[in-house]
Amino acid sequence: GAVVSQHPSWVICKSGTSVKIECRSLDFQATTMFWYRQFPKQSLMLMATSNEGSKATYEQGVEKDKFLINHASLTLSTLTVTSAHPEDSSFYICSARTGWSTDTQYFGPGTRLTVL
Amino acid sequence: GDSVTQMEGPVTLSEEAFLTINCTYTATGYPSLFWYVQYPGEGLQLLLKATKADDKGSNKGFEATYRKETTSFHLEKGSVQVSDSAVYFCALTHNTDKLIFGTGTRLQVFP
Repeated sequence: GAVVSQHPSWVICKSGTSVKIECRSLDFQATTMFWYRQFPKQSLMLMATSNEGSKATYEQGVEKDKFLINHASLTLSTLTVTSAHPEDSSFYICSARTGWSTDTQYFGPGTRLTVL
Repeated sequence: GDSVTQMEGPVTLSEEAFLTINCTYTATGYPSLFWYVQYPGEGLQLLLKATKADDKGSNKGFEATYRKETTSFHLEKGSVQVSDSAVYFCALTHNTDKLIFGTGTRLQVFP
């Protein structure tokens, strides 16, 4: 089946620094990629949707300047958490799909971010 | 707004036991319903889905029936295996990109 990878799988950073998380579709071209955030014992919450070559569409309440998303190719999307603070500590998950909105989303294994 | 409620875990069972993980939803209209499974160290995988009332989704021995009257989509398996140990997520969508997830239920199966 389709495989989506994320790198790094976990990262610890100091408050005020920026962290970049990569999401790659390994064996298919991902027209659309999604970024989710998951707090302990809570649901996955969609943060933003990005289409290759276009600006990301952010969900209500998600700071665009805080969470920068780039989807420069059909196999790579990046999420940069800028000026990270402890409250940004979370589990970040990406998913990817091909063409249609009804197509299956394939999920990455997630990235654990801890901000000290 | 739309929401999904799952039973809290962990659910702990012995091998070959019967499994039920409850899922109820709140949504307008007729959403599509899903169960995803996440094995340790891996991404969420689609387990099964149902797109209209009374549909039954099934895969790998798991089943769930779309019950409009009770707004439920409970996951069942007749005989669980140790390899079924994972976190299970119920989700819905109105055929858009936005999946709305429950909080997940951890299943632990012991030999």
